[in-house]
Amino acid sequence: GAVVSQHPSRVICKSGTSVKIECRSLDFQATTMFWYRQFPKKSLMLMATSNEGSKATYEQGVEKDKFLINHASLTLSTLTVTSAHPEDSSFYICSAKGGGAPRTQYFGPGTRLLVL
Amino acid sequence: DQQVKQNSPSLSVQEGRISILNCDYTNSMFDYFLWYKKYPAEGPTFLISISSIKDKNEDGRFTVFLNKSAKHLSLHIVPSQPGDSAVYFCAASEPQGGSEKLVFGKGMKLTVNP
Repeated sequence: GAVVSQHPSRVICKSGTSVKIECRSLDFQATTMFWYRQFPKKSLMLMATSNEGSKATYEQGVEKDKFLINHASLTLSTLTVTSAHPEDSSFYICSAKGGGAPRTQYFGPGTRLLVL
Repeated sequence: DQQVKQNSPSLSVQEGRISILNCDYTNSMFDYFLWYKKYPAEGPTFLISISSIKDKNEDGRFTVFLNKSAKHLSLHIVPSQPGDSAVYFCAASEPQGGSEKLVFGKGMKLTVNP
């Protein structure tokens, strides 16, 4: 149980384009989903907290207009990187809370974004 | 200021021996602690958690100990296996009703040698 998927696992795009990453909780309803970014050899950096049906809460320093988050249902959240630039290249990971262990976050496998 | 600290960047142990991974925290509001294991280019995998009302939680080869007075927790893996080689992250959160965020340490790379 507590499986979270992400799609795509890897994406390469041109500078200036937008990229959408999906995060799904497969076997539980996620009241809250989180989006993280991981830089090489660094810890996970929380970008935003997403609650179903409401606006996401962004961490300080994260541009909400650049990283659009939509949590349309209890099993799906999306992160759209708008007008991507090479510095947005990173490993993006989502997590979901819910199910039988309400205080535990279960992570997706991550999405590697490369912006050329 | 880092609220969750994993001061040792790496640990190398022999297969079959015990691995002890340490974590310190500074925020006395934290009441729930978790350990995650992460392989390169993958998302973290939940291992074990502990609530602040306990001082020990065990799940198979994994045991987490919590010392609230010292604001210290540790993960014991015994016996260690080569497949345990990964980066381990300690994380903590405040009580429900407050921030739902997990605060992560920087991680520690465990290498288990055959």
